Amino acid sequence: QVQLMQSGSELKKPGASVKLSCKASGCTFTSCALNWLRQAPGHGLEWMGWMDSKGGNPAYAQGFTGRFVFSLDTSVSTAYLQISGLKAEDTAIYYCAKEGYGDSNAFDIWGQGTMLTVSS
Amino acid sequence: QSALTQPPSASGSRGQSVAISCTGTSSDVGAYNSVSWYQQHPGKAPKLMIYEVNKRPSGVPDRFSGSKSGNTASLTVSGLHTEDEADYYCSSFAGTNNLLFGGGTKLTVL
Repeated sequence: QVQLMQSGSELKKPGASVKLSCKASGCTFTSCALNWLRQAPGHGLEWMGWMDSKGGNPAYAQGFTGRFVFSLDTSVSTAYLQISGLKAEDTAIYYCAKEGYGDSNAFDIWGQGTMLTVSS
Repeated sequence: QSALTQPPSASGSRGQSVAISCTGTSSDVGAYNSVSWYQQHPGKAPKLMIYEVNKRPSGVPDRFSGSKSGNTASLTVSGLHTEDEADYYCSSFAGTNNLLFGGGTKLTVL
């Protein structure tokens, strides 16, 4: 059974950087297409992009370029999201999610989410 | 403003049916059969309920069904149960590196 385990909550000051992690178990990591999504408090979901775990080529949605970087460490089956130059509006729950059912663009397995708070 | 438009709220009595709409454009919902629906209870991660417009993942009750007409997709919940009370989000593929979500609909079971 595939599970995604995300790192714990973070409290950061504006301007700082943070690296969130998402460890996959129960799937061949290189066959897990892992996506990142954001949910600001009281708001809906936003798709941030995804990381091709085979080729390692990240793809970013509009609005998530520049300060956001996806990376992988296949040796520990873990995907990372690094955010630099943190702003108050980055405060949100960040989810990693696995795409299922071929190229359905549907996410069948989700991590539990990581709460990031950016505050001085 | 969210890219896909959902009503902010919907309600129905236990046992009744309710439909939630998700309106996009001819570049997203109308162009692709990659519409998904997610259920999210407070404090929990979203759960996939429908993919590719009308397919149910294993374990999702057949009370949940999806459809699409033109630029509007719909999620119908039949025979409402108390536990169906949650937020529901639609999503649609909109081209390379473009996946859109709706703003969410809060479903209340009366």
